[in-house]
Amino acid sequence: EPEVTQTPSHQVTQMGQEVILRCVPISNHLYFYWYRQILGQKVEFLVSFYNNEISEKSEIFDDQFSVERPDGSNFTLKIRSTKLEDSAMYFCAGSLANYGYTFGSGTRLTVV
Amino acid sequence: AQSVTQLDSQVPVFEEAPVELRCNYSSSVSVYLFWYVQYPNQGLQLLLKYLSGSTLVKGINGFEAEFNKSQTSFHLRKPSVHISDTAEYFCAVSPSGGSYIPTFGRGTSLIVHP
Repeated sequence: EPEVTQTPSHQVTQMGQEVILRCVPISNHLYFYWYRQILGQKVEFLVSFYNNEISEKSEIFDDQFSVERPDGSNFTLKIRSTKLEDSAMYFCAGSLANYGYTFGSGTRLTVV
Repeated sequence: AQSVTQLDSQVPVFEEAPVELRCNYSSSVSVYLFWYVQYPNQGLQLLLKYLSGSTLVKGINGFEAEFNKSQTSFHLRKPSVHISDTAEYFCAVSPSGGSYIPTFGRGTSLIVHP
Protein backbone atom coordinates (compact mmCIF):
# COMPACT_ATOMS: atom_id res chain seq x y z
CA GLU A 1 0.00 0.00 0.00
CA PRO A 2 1.39 3.44 -0.89
CA GLU A 3 2.78 5.44 2.00
CA VAL A 4 3.48 9.03 2.91
CA THR A 5 7.15 9.26 3.87
CA GLN A 6 8.46 11.83 6.33
CA THR A 7 12.07 12.65 7.09
CA PRO A 8 13.74 12.89 9.51
CA SER A 9 11.86 10.85 12.08
CA HIS A 10 13.36 12.93 14.89
CA GLN A 11 15.06 16.31 14.75
CA VAL A 12 16.63 18.25 17.56
CA THR A 13 17.34 21.92 17.01
CA GLN A 14 18.38 24.93 19.02
CA MET A 15 15.92 27.71 19.68
CA GLY A 16 16.07 30.34 16.96
CA GLN A 17 17.33 27.97 14.30
CA GLU A 18 15.50 27.24 11.06
CA VAL A 19 14.20 23.73 10.42
CA ILE A 20 12.78 22.09 7.33
CA LEU A 21 10.58 19.05 7.69
CA ARG A 22 10.23 16.95 4.58
CA CYS A 23 7.41 14.81 3.25
CA VAL A 24 7.04 12.70 0.14
CA PRO A 25 3.30 12.30 -0.48
CA ILE A 26 1.65 9.54 -2.46
CA SER A 27 2.19 10.34 -6.12
CA ASN A 28 -1.43 10.69 -7.23
CA HIS A 29 -2.57 12.75 -4.25
CA LEU A 30 -3.73 16.29 -4.94
CA TYR A 31 -4.28 17.78 -1.48
CA PHE A 32 -1.53 18.06 1.10
CA TYR A 33 -1.59 19.00 4.74
CA TRP A 34 0.56 19.57 7.77
CA TYR A 35 -0.68 18.84 11.27
CA ARG A 36 1.09 18.94 14.60
CA GLN A 37 0.57 17.16 17.89
CA ILE A 38 2.11 18.61 21.00
CA LEU A 39 2.87 15.84 23.47
CA GLY A 40 -0.29 14.73 25.25
CA GLN A 41 -2.52 17.05 23.28
CA LYS A 42 -4.77 16.74 20.28
CA VAL A 43 -3.81 16.75 16.64
CA GLU A 44 -4.01 20.31 15.30
CA PHE A 45 -4.39 21.45 11.72
CA LEU A 46 -1.68 23.78 10.43
CA VAL A 47 -2.11 24.22 6.69
CA SER A 48 -3.56 22.72 3.55
CA PHE A 49 -1.99 22.97 0.10
CA TYR A 50 -3.62 22.43 -3.27
CA ASN A 51 -2.63 23.31 -6.79
CA ASN A 52 0.71 24.69 -5.60
CA GLU A 53 -0.70 27.17 -3.17
CA ILE A 54 -1.99 27.36 0.38
CA SER A 55 -5.73 26.78 0.40
CA GLU A 56 -6.30 27.15 4.13
CA LYS A 57 -4.27 27.76 7.25
CA SER A 58 -4.93 27.87 10.95
CA GLU A 59 -4.02 30.63 13.37
CA ILE A 60 -1.07 28.50 14.47
CA PHE A 61 0.46 28.88 11.00
CA ASP A 62 1.93 32.34 11.44
CA ASP A 63 4.70 34.13 9.55
CA GLN A 64 7.31 31.80 11.05
CA PHE A 65 5.89 28.92 9.03
CA SER A 66 5.99 28.31 5.30
CA VAL A 67 5.28 25.40 2.98
CA GLU A 68 6.30 24.59 -0.52
CA ARG A 69 6.36 21.80 -3.02
CA PRO A 70 9.44 22.77 -4.98
CA ASP A 71 9.82 19.86 -7.36
CA GLY A 72 6.31 18.44 -7.57
CA SER A 73 7.32 15.62 -5.27
CA ASN A 74 8.59 16.75 -1.89
CA PHE A 75 6.31 18.78 0.33
CA THR A 76 8.16 20.76 2.98
CA LEU A 77 7.31 22.67 6.12
CA LYS A 78 9.80 25.32 7.18
CA ILE A 79 9.92 26.98 10.56
CA ARG A 80 12.09 30.06 10.29
CA SER A 81 13.09 30.67 13.88
CA THR A 82 12.08 27.86 16.16
CA LYS A 83 10.69 28.42 19.64
CA LEU A 84 10.51 25.98 22.52
CA GLU A 85 6.75 25.71 22.04
CA ASP A 86 7.27 24.44 18.49
CA SER A 87 8.37 21.12 19.99
CA ALA A 88 5.81 18.63 18.73
CA MET A 89 5.18 15.75 16.39
CA TYR A 90 4.54 17.08 12.89
CA PHE A 91 2.45 14.98 10.54
CA CYS A 92 2.21 15.35 6.80
CA ALA A 93 -0.93 14.05 5.11
CA GLY A 94 -2.26 13.77 1.61
CA SER A 95 -5.51 12.92 -0.06
CA LEU A 96 -6.84 12.34 -3.53
CA ALA A 97 -10.20 13.89 -2.78
CA ASN A 98 -11.19 16.14 0.07
CA TYR A 99 -11.36 13.45 2.71
CA GLY A 100 -9.79 10.22 3.85
CA TYR A 101 -6.28 11.48 4.42
CA THR A 102 -3.21 9.26 4.47
CA PHE A 103 -0.82 10.37 7.18
CA GLY A 104 2.91 9.94 7.39
CA SER A 105 4.56 8.53 10.49
CA GLY A 106 5.58 11.99 11.64
CA THR A 107 8.69 13.95 12.53
CA ARG A 108 9.30 14.57 16.21
CA LEU A 109 10.77 18.06 16.53
CA THR A 110 12.52 18.90 19.77
CA VAL A 111 13.59 22.51 20.29
CA VAL A 112 16.18 23.00 23.02
CA ALA B 1 -16.98 25.46 12.95
CA GLN B 2 -17.09 22.04 14.46
CA SER B 3 -15.76 20.46 17.61
CA VAL B 4 -15.14 16.94 18.82
CA THR B 5 -15.32 15.62 22.36
CA GLN B 6 -13.81 12.31 23.31
CA LEU B 7 -15.19 11.73 26.75
CA ASP B 8 -12.59 9.27 27.99
CA SER B 9 -8.90 10.08 27.96
CA GLN B 10 -8.01 6.52 28.90
CA VAL B 11 -9.90 3.23 28.65
CA PRO B 12 -8.35 0.17 30.29
CA VAL B 13 -9.82 -3.18 29.32
CA PHE B 14 -8.92 -6.84 29.55
CA GLU B 15 -8.07 -8.87 26.46
CA GLU B 16 -11.09 -10.43 24.70
CA ALA B 17 -13.49 -8.02 26.42
CA PRO B 18 -15.68 -5.66 24.38
CA VAL B 19 -14.85 -1.99 24.24
CA GLU B 20 -16.57 1.25 23.30
CA LEU B 21 -14.72 4.52 22.75
CA ARG B 22 -17.05 7.49 22.86
CA CYS B 23 -17.07 10.44 20.52
CA ASN B 24 -19.51 13.34 20.38
CA TYR B 25 -19.36 16.23 17.97
CA SER B 26 -20.99 19.55 17.33
CA SER B 27 -21.39 21.22 13.98
CA SER B 28 -23.72 23.68 12.30
CA VAL B 29 -23.38 21.85 8.97
CA SER B 30 -23.52 18.26 7.83
CA VAL B 31 -20.36 16.33 8.50
CA TYR B 32 -18.09 13.46 7.63
CA LEU B 33 -16.80 11.44 10.58
CA PHE B 34 -13.59 9.48 11.03
CA TRP B 35 -11.75 7.34 13.51
CA TYR B 36 -7.96 7.16 13.35
CA VAL B 37 -5.58 4.95 15.32
CA GLN B 38 -2.04 5.86 16.33
CA TYR B 39 0.22 3.04 17.45
CA PRO B 40 3.27 3.97 19.52
CA ASN B 41 5.80 5.95 17.50
CA GLN B 42 3.72 5.72 14.34
CA GLY B 43 1.52 8.00 12.28
CA LEU B 44 -2.24 8.17 12.11
CA GLN B 45 -3.99 5.32 10.35
CA LEU B 46 -7.59 5.55 9.17
CA LEU B 47 -9.76 2.96 10.92
CA LEU B 48 -13.09 3.85 9.35
CA LYS B 49 -15.13 6.73 8.04
CA TYR B 50 -18.74 7.77 7.67
CA LEU B 51 -19.56 9.84 4.61
CA SER B 52 -23.17 8.94 3.93
CA GLY B 53 -25.54 5.98 3.73
CA SER B 54 -25.69 3.26 6.38
CA THR B 55 -25.09 4.64 9.84
CA LEU B 56 -23.19 1.50 10.90
CA VAL B 57 -19.71 1.62 9.48
CA LYS B 58 -17.26 -1.26 9.56
CA GLY B 59 -13.55 -0.63 9.51
CA ILE B 60 -10.28 -2.46 9.73
CA ASN B 61 -9.15 -4.73 12.55
CA GLY B 62 -12.73 -5.64 13.53
CA PHE B 63 -13.75 -2.15 14.59
CA GLU B 64 -17.10 -0.58 13.80
CA ALA B 65 -18.80 2.70 14.58
CA GLU B 66 -22.35 3.95 14.50
CA PHE B 67 -23.34 7.43 13.46
CA ASN B 68 -26.21 8.76 15.57
CA LYS B 69 -27.31 12.10 14.19
CA SER B 70 -29.85 12.85 16.92
CA GLN B 71 -27.26 12.30 19.65
CA THR B 72 -24.43 13.75 17.53
CA SER B 73 -22.30 10.74 18.37
CA PHE B 74 -19.96 8.41 16.53
CA HIS B 75 -18.89 5.81 19.07
CA LEU B 76 -16.28 3.20 18.16
CA ARG B 77 -16.78 -0.41 19.20
CA LYS B 78 -15.03 -3.74 19.07
CA PRO B 79 -16.61 -6.93 20.44
CA SER B 80 -13.33 -8.53 21.52
CA VAL B 81 -10.05 -6.64 21.84
CA HIS B 82 -6.50 -7.91 21.54
CA ILE B 83 -3.29 -6.77 23.17
CA SER B 84 -2.28 -5.37 19.78
CA ASP B 85 -5.21 -2.93 19.88
CA THR B 86 -3.38 -0.93 22.54
CA ALA B 87 -3.02 2.49 20.93
CA GLU B 88 -4.32 6.05 20.85
CA TYR B 89 -7.63 6.50 19.05
CA PHE B 90 -8.72 9.80 17.56
CA CYS B 91 -12.18 10.79 16.44
CA ALA B 92 -12.32 13.48 13.76
CA VAL B 93 -15.08 15.44 12.04
CA SER B 94 -15.01 17.49 8.88
CA PRO B 95 -17.67 19.50 7.10
CA SER B 96 -19.09 17.62 4.14
CA GLY B 97 -18.48 20.61 1.94
CA GLY B 98 -16.18 23.58 1.70
CA SER B 99 -12.70 23.02 3.05
CA TYR B 100 -13.29 19.51 4.45
CA ILE B 101 -10.49 20.14 6.95
CA PRO B 102 -11.04 17.69 9.83
CA THR B 103 -11.03 18.67 13.47
CA PHE B 104 -9.60 16.06 15.81
CA GLY B 105 -10.60 15.11 19.31
CA ARG B 106 -8.04 14.89 22.10
CA GLY B 107 -7.73 11.15 21.71
CA THR B 108 -8.53 8.13 23.86
CA SER B 109 -5.79 5.84 25.01
CA LEU B 110 -6.97 2.23 24.82
CA ILE B 111 -4.94 0.00 27.11
CA VAL B 112 -5.55 -3.72 26.73
CA HIS B 113 -4.38 -5.86 29.65
CA PRO B 114 -3.69 -9.61 29.37
